[in-house]
Amino acid sequence: EAEVAQSPRYKITEKSQAVAFWCDPISGHATLYWYRQILGQGPELLVQFQDESVVDDSQLPKDRFSAERLKGVDSTLKIQPAELGDSAMYLCAVSDRRENTGELFFGEGSRLTVL
Amino acid sequence: AQSVTQLGSHVSVSEGALVLLRCNYSSSVPPYLFWYVQYPNQGLQLLLKYTSAATLVKGINGFEAEFKKSETSFHLTKPSAHMSDAAEYFCAVSGADMRFGAGTRLTVKP
Repeated sequence: EAEVAQSPRYKITEKSQAVAFWCDPISGHATLYWYRQILGQGPELLVQFQDESVVDDSQLPKDRFSAERLKGVDSTLKIQPAELGDSAMYLCAVSDRRENTGELFFGEGSRLTVL
Repeated sequence: AQSVTQLGSHVSVSEGALVLLRCNYSSSVPPYLFWYVQYPNQGLQLLLKYTSAATLVKGINGFEAEFKKSETSFHLTKPSAHMSDAAEYFCAVSGADMRFGAGTRLTVKP
């Protein structure tokens, strides 16, 4: 069973529309991350949660992006309004529950295309 | 701040040839280092990790990496490339959060 489930896998939208992504990890992962990966680049951190609290959202464009993890388990990432430059893969990850090495387990990702 | 630099955005090898993907790190404290692999339109999968135990780390699919403090390097190798190894490979360092390199695309020619 995968550690992290993400949906939708693919999303095509027009600019100025609202989009939302969901991340559903196996319970027990206190720390959850959202990364953005632009084509041809490495993932970049958008937001980090510890349980339901935001630990780091310094790289999250807060004028249009929002993220929440209300019950400390699953999480949503929303973009409103979407812009052409938001086209990317959005990856959700959780940290290893057993070891404190920072190892991350990633979901399959949600690929966003903004037209 | 911790960071990694991957040398070479694209590496091409023939099937059966040695694979060498280069990664150098910058860290003010002993780092935890990782290599991840990503296939098209998929998430990242852990290949191997260095957590200050043995400096030579063996991972899945025949890959291994050696931590060299004197060179601040953590290069990924595989003795014999297989067609299924074609993918994007990311080096990463873990601190307050995980920082990734820009990635190296590996192409394997028949």
